[in-house]
Amino acid sequence: AQTVTQSQPEMSVQEAETVTLSCTYDTSENNYYLFWYKQPPSRQMILVIRQEAYKQQNATENRFSVNFQKAAKSFSLKISDSQLGDTAMYFCAFMKQSHSGAGSYQLTFGKGTKLSVIP
Amino acid sequence: DTEVTQTPKHLVMGMTNKKSLKCEQHMGHRAMYWYKQKAKKPPELMFVYSYEKLSINESVPSRFSPECPNSSLLNLHLHALQPEDSALYLCASSPSATDSSGANVLTFGAGSRLTVL
Repeated sequence: AQTVTQSQPEMSVQEAETVTLSCTYDTSENNYYLFWYKQPPSRQMILVIRQEAYKQQNATENRFSVNFQKAAKSFSLKISDSQLGDTAMYFCAFMKQSHSGAGSYQLTFGKGTKLSVIP
Repeated sequence: DTEVTQTPKHLVMGMTNKKSLKCEQHMGHRAMYWYKQKAKKPPELMFVYSYEKLSINESVPSRFSPECPNSSLLNLHLHALQPEDSALYLCASSPSATDSSGANVLTFGAGSRLTVL
């Protein structure tokens, strides 16, 4: 079974500063995907960034980037130039093809990190 | 269309009522998911449909009854719920994992906030 650990329940950052959210995972799989999802108070679960395990290059999406360390099973998210709209719960998630779900995926979430951006 | 649409956004029901939650996507995704999310917790998987067939039921009580009438639509029928069933219910969809051309990601709807009195 896969586990995803987010060790920071809450974090805060000043507007325009940089913040890093931590995530570690445990798996025996070779083919998998890692995600950061953002859930603001509006409750929509929004994809922030995606990383394929077989790719060594770290994914980036504008102000968001990851530090993917496959051997250490670590997948941290860096948010640069933080904005007030970044205030949200951030979930790290591990995904693999479901063995029992015939063509579907199994998505395992961490417990989340609540990020507050302070003006 | 890159969205998953859920209705209603809010639902209040008594323990003897029968109601339904609806989820719709037009991205051609062949896998659809129901998650339950309690406050300040991550989503928990309830059901998975793959190619309109129920493939995973995570031991969900029978008062929750999923239905997938076609490849674009997923329903969750609710009957005789308990107050502890109050939660945010999230629907998601993804391409089939056997579809090499699909992006391997779940797209979520905005959720239906359910309150059981």
